Amino acid sequence: DGGITQSPKYLFRKEGQNVTLSCEQNLNHDAMYWYRQDPGQGLRLIYYSQIVNDFQKGDIAEGYSVSREKKESFPLTVTSAQKNPTAFYLCASHVGVGVNEQFFGPGTRLTVL
Amino acid sequence: SQQGEEDPQALSIQEGENATMNCSYKTSINNLQWYRQNSGRGLVHLILIRSNEREKHSGRLRVTLDTSKKSSSLLITASRAADTASYFCATDLSGGYQKVTFGTGTKLQVIP
Repeated sequence: DGGITQSPKYLFRKEGQNVTLSCEQNLNHDAMYWYRQDPGQGLRLIYYSQIVNDFQKGDIAEGYSVSREKKESFPLTVTSAQKNPTAFYLCASHVGVGVNEQFFGPGTRLTVL
Repeated sequence: SQQGEEDPQALSIQEGENATMNCSYKTSINNLQWYRQNSGRGLVHLILIRSNEREKHSGRLRVTLDTSKKSSSLLITASRAADTASYFCATDLSGGYQKVTFGTGTKLQVIP
């Protein structure tokens, strides 16, 4: 089955700790994205990558970091500098060329204790 | 601020009725997309309408786009309980690598 997987589904973190969220896709898509969703809100773009070894900041990149060493993988690290990290995090991918839909993973719910 | 704003924020209807949700945006777009999100899940793409299109259909979905008013509407006909979800519009300014901007969503409840 082709698709996007995110792990873990639920994640708990103590204040002051860094944590890494996993996102893997086997759709052979060039572009990948990380979004944050807060309760009752839309999605806000954290980072996106159009190609391996390249990524750009989105609208709310402060306190987050990413890497894109492989086409299939786009992990997101939530650092201790992120002031309010508790949220639902969604990863998505896009074929990279032309007008097409984004495909989303099932999400990771991060709770800071 | 968000590029797209959906209206209403919440909508509750009886099964079989039609549901209409609206999206307004601020700047010129290349295309507009509608997505659906079941509670606690990822988003699923429903339909895309390009800036040079005025109306598009897909099954029980009908989308309209009025670029002069910078608005779009999503109509779900003959709603079912399984349509209960949040619906988001997403505007794409570039038409290239899809750096889209999502609205705040309409939460639809369809009562059996």
